[in-house]
Parts: sequence; C-alpha cells; structure tokens
Amino acid sequence: NAGVTQTPKFQVLKTGQSMTLQCAQDMNHNSMYWYRQDPGMGLRLIYYSASEGTTDKGEVPNGYNVSRLNKREFSLRLESAAPSQTSVYFCASSEEGYNEKLFFGSGTQLSVL
Amino acid sequence: AQSVSQHNHHVILSEAASLELGCNYSYGGTVNLFWYVQYPGQHLQLLLKYFSGDPLVKGIKGFEAEFIKSKFSFNLRKPSVQWSDTAEYFCAVNAYNKLIFGAGTRLAVHP
Repeated sequence: NAGVTQTPKFQVLKTGQSMTLQCAQDMNHNSMYWYRQDPGMGLRLIYYSASEGTTDKGEVPNGYNVSRLNKREFSLRLESAAPSQTSVYFCASSEEGYNEKLFFGSGTQLSVL
Repeated sequence: AQSVSQHNHHVILSEAASLELGCNYSYGGTVNLFWYVQYPGQHLQLLLKYFSGDPLVKGIKGFEAEFIKSKFSFNLRKPSVQWSDTAEYFCAVNAYNKLIFGAGTRLAVHP
C-alpha cells in the first residue's frame, strides 16, 4: 500500500521554465491538497480538490495551476517558475475534507535559480 | 488576521525531560485542532486531533494535548521525551473549512 506518491523528489529549474509535479493516492480518498513548506512559515495551502472534478484556491495560489485528472491523481503545474517558488511541495489526501486525517506524500524539493 | 502561532521555533531537551509545545490560534467559533509530526526524512503524520468532548486528548507515542478554549490554546505535552522524538511538530486548526498550519517547532532531543 503506497499511500500518497509524489514525483519527482528533487527538481532544479531555471527562472521561466515550466514543470508539473505529479501526485497519486491509492486510498480511494475524495479530497486532495497541495501545500508548500517554507522555513519559519509552516505549510501553506496552494490548491485543493474536495472531490473529483473540483478544484479551489488555497492561501497562495498565484503562479500555480492544478488538475484533478481523476480520483487518484492531482497535479500541480508551474507555468513560469520564479525564485520565490523555491520550496518543498507536499501533496496530501484525505477521505473527505479537513476533519479527516491527512496523509502526506514524501515531498518535492524544488529550487528555482 | 486569522492565524496559528507556535511560539517556540526550536526546542532542545535532554532525554527524560518533559515537553510542552505551545499552540495558539486566533479563530472564534468552533474549531477542530490537530498536531502533526515530521520525523527526519519522513512525511508528515498525524499525532492527535481534537474535535469535541474531553479537552485532554491522547495521541500516539505517549503524546497528549489539552484544548483550553478560553485561552485559544492547544498545547502538546509529553512527560518524558526520547531521542526518537526528535522531529518538527506542527499545530493545525480547521476553521471555516480551511486547515491552517502553524510555522512548526523543531525539537531536538539529546541522549
């Protein structure tokens, strides 16, 4: 049982490049989330998907887009990377919303030069 | 602004010492409260949660937390820490259908 799988684990981009972070969960969860973790700021929600077919902005959505491809997969896209997007990105899922336990992926460490 | 505050950013303890990590939030009304932990090299995992009922909740690995509504606090405690408790601890609050995390507290336990 893999849980929440994120790829890649590490990525270095140049300013202006684009990339997609992939996330998949095998727990049949309805809700999925993308967070970024920055030193001294904790985790901040970028986007979330309460259920298949829906996505909503979180606290820091600017510069990102998401796609809930199906119930299992929730991808995060950086269209034109900026140094301010250097961070550790976590995908998470829960059975139904925030009051359920969140299961996190192992994270993607992204550096934008 | 609505927020979750963890006042201790770094805590260093010796094994067997007692631990208390502070968490305060600024939301009124009904909230649900969580503590998550991130061990070195691992992903975040849930330690414990409070929704209602007994304000003293017990979690995994001997941790407990007390919800004090009048103080808007949900402090994490452990009577006797172990080296294996070295990790980063995050308080989180679900209010108005948003889960907001604190900045985290890095705990280092020395043998």
